[in-house]
Amino acid sequence: DVKVTQSSRYLVKRTGEKVFLECVQDMDHENMFWYRQDPGLGLRLIYFSYDVKMKEKGDIPEGYSVSREKKERFSLILESASTNQTSMYLCASRVTGGNTEAFFGQGTRLTVV
Amino acid sequence: QKEVEQDPGPLSVPEGAIVSLNCTYSNSAFQYFMWYRQYSRKGPELLMYTYSSGNKEDGRFTAQVDKSSKYISLFIRDSQPSDSATYLCAMKGVMYSGGGADGLTFGKGTHLIIQP
Repeated sequence: DVKVTQSSRYLVKRTGEKVFLECVQDMDHENMFWYRQDPGLGLRLIYFSYDVKMKEKGDIPEGYSVSREKKERFSLILESASTNQTSMYLCASRVTGGNTEAFFGQGTRLTVV
Repeated sequence: QKEVEQDPGPLSVPEGAIVSLNCTYSNSAFQYFMWYRQYSRKGPELLMYTYSSGNKEDGRFTAQVDKSSKYISLFIRDSQPSDSATYLCAMKGVMYSGGGADGLTFGKGTHLIIQP
């Protein structure tokens, strides 16, 4: 059974803290993605990676960075958390190809206070 | 104009009804069309996908793509309370067409409620 695992389901952090969200996939997928999901705004791509140590900005990268040191792990970093980063964060992975499915993790509900 | 438009709902229907969920899009490069289902406080899961135009049926679910109108639909027959979820359409092209690294462009999702 394929799996994308996010390290935390719920997190509460203080404004200004550095926050790490971890994602691990066991499917040997090349591509990994970080999205945030907000009511009325849908899924928005923050960053993605198509290979180890490779990263590309998505639509809303400001205030975030990522790290991919190993193929199975993709980390999202909030350098200095702010209240407007309170959101549901979703990690996904997929192989390269037209009709391949994106597999999502369970999501991390982050609240910044 | 957004690349993918989807009515957010909520859409509330009685159990047993036929449900129609829709998305419109503007990018003619999109070739692969998918529907994801997301239960509350869970990640999205792939429900159906189709390539190019046409219909695809899987049990109570039918996906339709009309590329000439840039319009896709998901029909749910004999709807059940367990179908209550948010349904997201997603699409991509053969070549890079936004959404990042061979990724997907999502609609905002329609919140569906099936009343027992």
